[in-house]
Amino acid sequence: GAGVSQSPSNKVTEKGKDVELRCDPISGHTALYWYRQSLGQGLEFLIYFQGNSAPDKSGLPSDRFSAERTGGSVSTLTIQRTQQEDSAVYLCASSSGVRTQTYEQYFGPGTRLTVT
Amino acid sequence: GQSLEQPSEVTAVEGAIVQINCTYQTSGFYGLSWYQQHDGGAPTFLSYNGLDGLEETGRFSSFLSRSDSYGYLLLQELQMKDSASYFCAVRVLNTNAGKSTFGDGTTLTVKP
Repeated sequence: GAGVSQSPSNKVTEKGKDVELRCDPISGHTALYWYRQSLGQGLEFLIYFQGNSAPDKSGLPSDRFSAERTGGSVSTLTIQRTQQEDSAVYLCASSSGVRTQTYEQYFGPGTRLTVT
Repeated sequence: GQSLEQPSEVTAVEGAIVQINCTYQTSGFYGLSWYQQHDGGAPTFLSYNGLDGLEETGRFSSFLSRSDSYGYLLLQELQMKDSASYFCAVRVLNTNAGKSTFGDGTTLTVKP
């Protein structure tokens, strides 16, 4: 596809359940980012990948959050034992990783997670 | 850590010029980006400043002063469609990817 895609677009889950959010970056983009955005708030950095490795996991809110990336492409963000405070829009972005172009991040449409 | 400050709301009329300021405190500063986000939409890239000075892209310009840890986004000839949230973001690692820390955003309302 031409852009970053994320699935599902919406997810409603019960407190205590695990959820998996998926991100397909733009083909060839080596850098991939996950952010969380609560209603009316800014973007909270969670984690980024360069290739399959994650140099910076400092934004993950707790050990219930984990992410992986395989084949330098698709990434999955997993939230275990979801809590109501996890409700937010989870945004994925990718960038080309080429020095002159890395400053621009291309965002997906997000996954709206609601924990009931 | 990093922190960014930008006004929470700005209102202007169609055809006017508006400036959205961003001040930052960070270590390892590498550049300042601006993103636009319409309600319910994804953020889209507007501009990037790696060096001091003004970058112009059509009706939008962005300015950076590294010595003042300050930047701004200037929107000219405002149109109704410019009503959106605008985020400044600091890039803090000198790598091929790096990490951007975003401000809380400025909601711009353009009135007729």
